[in-house]
Amino acid sequence: SAVISQKPSRDICQRGTSLTIQCQVDSQVTMMFWYRQQPGQSLTLIATANQGSEATYESGFVIDKFPISRPNLTFSTLTVSNMSPEDSSIYLCSVAKVNYGYTFGSGTRLTVV
Amino acid sequence: AQTVTQSQPEMSVQEAETVTLSCTYDTSESDYYLFWYKQPPSRQMILVIRQEAYKQQNATENRFSVNFQKAAKSFSLKISDSQLGDAAMYFCAYSSGSRLTFGEGTQLTVNP
Repeated sequence: SAVISQKPSRDICQRGTSLTIQCQVDSQVTMMFWYRQQPGQSLTLIATANQGSEATYESGFVIDKFPISRPNLTFSTLTVSNMSPEDSSIYLCSVAKVNYGYTFGSGTRLTVV
Repeated sequence: AQTVTQSQPEMSVQEAETVTLSCTYDTSESDYYLFWYKQPPSRQMILVIRQEAYKQQNATENRFSVNFQKAAKSFSLKISDSQLGDAAMYFCAYSSGSRLTFGEGTQLTVNP
């Protein structure tokens, strides 16, 4: 299965600032997924990132708040913009590989103060 | 839209005993995949087991097995000979080819 390196593992940020989270995969993948996990809750899909095209956002998530880049088949970034305390969550990236299912990065624990 | 429901927010089991976690889902698709993921406090999502809907045989992975009832849209996870390291949040998930849809999770406690 794929191995994903996700950075940073955690951060504490001031409200109104932005944080960019990076995911590097050890093999080429078509789709990468970004999830948010609010405290004590399940994972919610933010968007699907395809290389060479705009990310597809789920209902309730917008590009201005969560811009995503996908410059090649092994890398993606998610930016959390103009942060508020409500953005405090774990953010995870994921990829799908045929016959292996879905692999996740180790997550980024974001605290906004 | 597909939904996944885990009706047990918390479960506990004695070490070495067996526990079953429940999951039901709703879909109109005929071809899909079902998964159980484990999330320990480290927050890493770890794949426990997966089941292809077209396979009638229930998946097994060492001490972990599923009871897949396609007609009932049920997908339960059985953990045998529970170990302290099994303590974690367990998520049931569904996919019909791209995105994963997760249930609310079941927090499993293993008592020594």
